[in-house]
Formats: sequence, C-alpha cells, structure tokens
Amino acid sequence: GPKVLQIPSHQIIDMGQMVTLNCDPVSNHLYFYWYKQILGQQMEFLVNFYNGKVMEKSKLFKDQFSVERPDGSYFTLKIQPTALEDSAVYFCASSSDWTSAETLYFGSGTRLTVL
Amino acid sequence: QQQVRQSPQSLTVWEGETAILNCSYEDSTFDYFPWYHQFPGESPALLIAIRPVSNKKEDGRFTIFFNKREKKFSLHIADSQPGDSATYFCAASEDTGGLSGKLTFGEGTQVTVIS
Repeated sequence: GPKVLQIPSHQIIDMGQMVTLNCDPVSNHLYFYWYKQILGQQMEFLVNFYNGKVMEKSKLFKDQFSVERPDGSYFTLKIQPTALEDSAVYFCASSSDWTSAETLYFGSGTRLTVL
Repeated sequence: QQQVRQSPQSLTVWEGETAILNCSYEDSTFDYFPWYHQFPGESPALLIAIRPVSNKKEDGRFTIFFNKREKKFSLHIADSQPGDSATYFCAASEDTGGLSGKLTFGEGTQVTVIS
C-alpha cells in the first residue's frame, strides 16, 4: 500500500539545539499531519497542513515548533530550540481526502531523544 | 484532556481465542471510530473502522461493536493468531464536517497471542 517515509528513524540531540524531522508523504496526497507520542502514552495530534498553511494546531504545538513543505519536497517539523520534554516519537501522516480519515496513512515515526 | 480511554493496557490470549479490546469516549461530536494496529518498527495502519449509523462492523476475524448510548466501542479479534500480536489503538474523530485526520487516540493495548 501507500507509504509515508520518515527520515531519520532516530535522532539524538542536545537540549537547545535545532532539529528538523523529515517526512516524505504519499505522492498524490495534499494533507499532512504530525502526531507526537511520548513513551507509554497515546499518540496526540500536533498540527495539520494544507496548501502551504497550518490549518489547525493543538496546544502541544509550541511556539518553538514550525512546519513547512517547500516546493513539494519533504514535509518537515522543525523544533528550535529543543527542550527535554520534546523527547518522543513523532509520526507524520498524509491523506488525499479532507473529508475522511479513512485515507490517512502514517509513517513509522522518528524517535527524538533530547539530552 | 483525556477523551478516548482504552483498556486493557496489555492482553495475552491463546491461539484460537477471541481477544476483546475496549474503548470509551466523551465527545458526542465524534462520528468516526477507527482501530489501528502497529507492529514493532512499523507504521500504525488502519485495521477497521465504524461510524455511528451502525452498531457492528465486521471484516474477517475483526469485529467492532459500537454502543452510542454508552459511548463505548470494542474490537473483537476472533480465532486469534500469533501474527495478530501487535499494539492496537482505538481512535475517534469528527469526520463529518470536521478536521479529518485529527484523530484522538486511546492509550493502546499490547496484544500477545501465544500458541
């Protein structure tokens, strides 16, 4: 089936540094999402993105977070600066249809460790 | 705010038994209830989903039972196989006229099927 690729699968950085998580969505998809999963907890919605704009974000999407998809390339989540509480697995997802979550596909996640 | 609760946290069943996973929700505007499964190192993948117009949805060995009045839904895995061993997440969203792809997840159930 369709694949969402996330690069890298693991990232370790020092607190205060900047990190960019990359997502290669399904090729014909137009809607993109980031979810955050702290170890042992559920996945939580961070943000969704369409047509170059953030459509909705949750309270977890702090001011230090930003997303973009320049020129149809990777959909990225940037955290600058990072904090210890940003350690989590970040899942990217994409969908072709705004009207149904049935078309939502997830990547396998990037495990971010902030030291 | 915890809006979707899932139990049990872990479940071990013998091959051939029926595994039962339970979820409850609070938000009456939710109208789409999917179950995802996730194998280690892989992406969460849609397994089966239901909308409130139905109280039961079957797909092979997987059945969702939905109780709108009690705001509960469950996943039954009949004739469990070792290959069903995975983490299962229930979720909910406002799929009609809402922000599709914005799923609220349960905490997950680690299912282990032993032969």
